[in-house]
Amino acid sequence: GENVEQHPSTLSVQEGDSAVIKCTYSDSASNYFPWYKQELGKRPQLIIDIRSNVGEKKDQRIAVTLNKTAKHFSLHITETQPEDSAVYFCAASGGDEKLTFGTGTRLTIIP
Amino acid sequence: DSGVTQTPKHLITATGQRVTLRCSPRSGDLSVYWYQQSLDQGLQFLIQYYNGEERAKGNILERFSAQQFPDLHSELNLSSLELGDSALYFCASSIYYGSTYEQYFGPGTRLTVT
Repeated sequence: GENVEQHPSTLSVQEGDSAVIKCTYSDSASNYFPWYKQELGKRPQLIIDIRSNVGEKKDQRIAVTLNKTAKHFSLHITETQPEDSAVYFCAASGGDEKLTFGTGTRLTIIP
Repeated sequence: DSGVTQTPKHLITATGQRVTLRCSPRSGDLSVYWYQQSLDQGLQFLIQYYNGEERAKGNILERFSAQQFPDLHSELNLSSLELGDSALYFCASSIYYGSTYEQYFGPGTRLTVT
């Protein structure tokens, strides 16, 4: 089955700086890569996703890039704000129709 | 608010007991997914139903079972509960089956087994 690795596990950045979270996956058949944001005690919230026919996707301050050859994808958050503090999960859908999640990155924005 | 509802919000029960968690998908969604989130395991996929039928199975224990009813709500049954079953249980829904469709999560049920 699919295996997703996510780095780093914790990340602290100054408010206004950029944050980058990276994930690698193992199943070359994977073709859908969503990112979820989870605040403490709350539900995971879909913030952006990308499909394998696209190399990059942007939504305001958030962007995701995908490198299918290297089997890795990244989340980029620019001009970070305190409300960006949360745990971020990447995920990949393999050929088995299951969504496999990374282990999460705890992002802390320092005011 | 994702439109996915889950009840109850919290559940405290003893080892050996049986509980039922309930999920109602977003209006129009036919697929329901169940996930378990514990501190050391992240988000683990348990099982998926599409329009009443089981579509995919993940790391779901034999003590756990689920079903999706004609009105599309789903129930996750956990029996012979152990301390290690304490976790957040999330339900998610999507319009179709296949994990390439966006999944929207409910608020979760926090289960504490004492």
